[in-house]
Amino acid sequence: SQQGEEDPQALSIQEGENATMNCSYKTSINNLQWYRQNSGRGLVHLILIRSNEREKHSGRLRVTLDTSKKSSSLLITASRAADTASYFCALQPGNTPLVFGKGTRLSVIA
Amino acid sequence: DAGITQSPRHKVTETGTPVTLRCHQTENHRYMYWYRQDPGHGLRLIHYSYGVKDTDKGEVSDGYSVSRSKTEDFLLTLESATSSQTSVYFCAISESKAGGQQDTQYFGPGTRLTVL
Repeated sequence: SQQGEEDPQALSIQEGENATMNCSYKTSINNLQWYRQNSGRGLVHLILIRSNEREKHSGRLRVTLDTSKKSSSLLITASRAADTASYFCALQPGNTPLVFGKGTRLSVIA
Repeated sequence: DAGITQSPRHKVTETGTPVTLRCHQTENHRYMYWYRQDPGHGLRLIHYSYGVKDTDKGEVSDGYSVSRSKTEDFLLTLESATSSQTSVYFCAISESKAGGQQDTQYFGPGTRLTVL
């Protein structure tokens, strides 16, 4: 399967803590993207990391990519209640549409 | 927010009836996509378009057809709706990058379809 697999499926943390979620995959990729989905809304793009990159930052987000292990992680630092959402990794195997994983449900408790 | 609208936002229909969902964009992006989202399955691609009148199948295309007669509109049709097509449907768009690669995707607000 080309689909990425997020881990954990669900995560519950206290406000101010860091949240880490992982994505593992089996195919070669051009890039890997992370998206957020608030309840009842469409997905929102967070960050894209290309296969030749190892780490990218965007505000409180840090994404790493290890192509040798075929895995990526998304770190949200100093989490807030507003970060409560589902987070999806999406793979771009080639010049083909993205393939989305099933997501990690993050709950940040105030 | 990217200019993407979906209509209708909610629809209840009966098994066997035809249903058409519309996606409209104001961004002039080349690529448009239709996904369905179901618990336990995540987001699955139904069909996508890489230009006017140019479409291709996704992972779960059976029972669905699409049309794109204008850059800004992408229609998804369920010819004869079944209960298994009850789902939330999302449209997305993306630009074309150099070499024809697709860029990040921007999503519409979704359509909740219930087939009784």
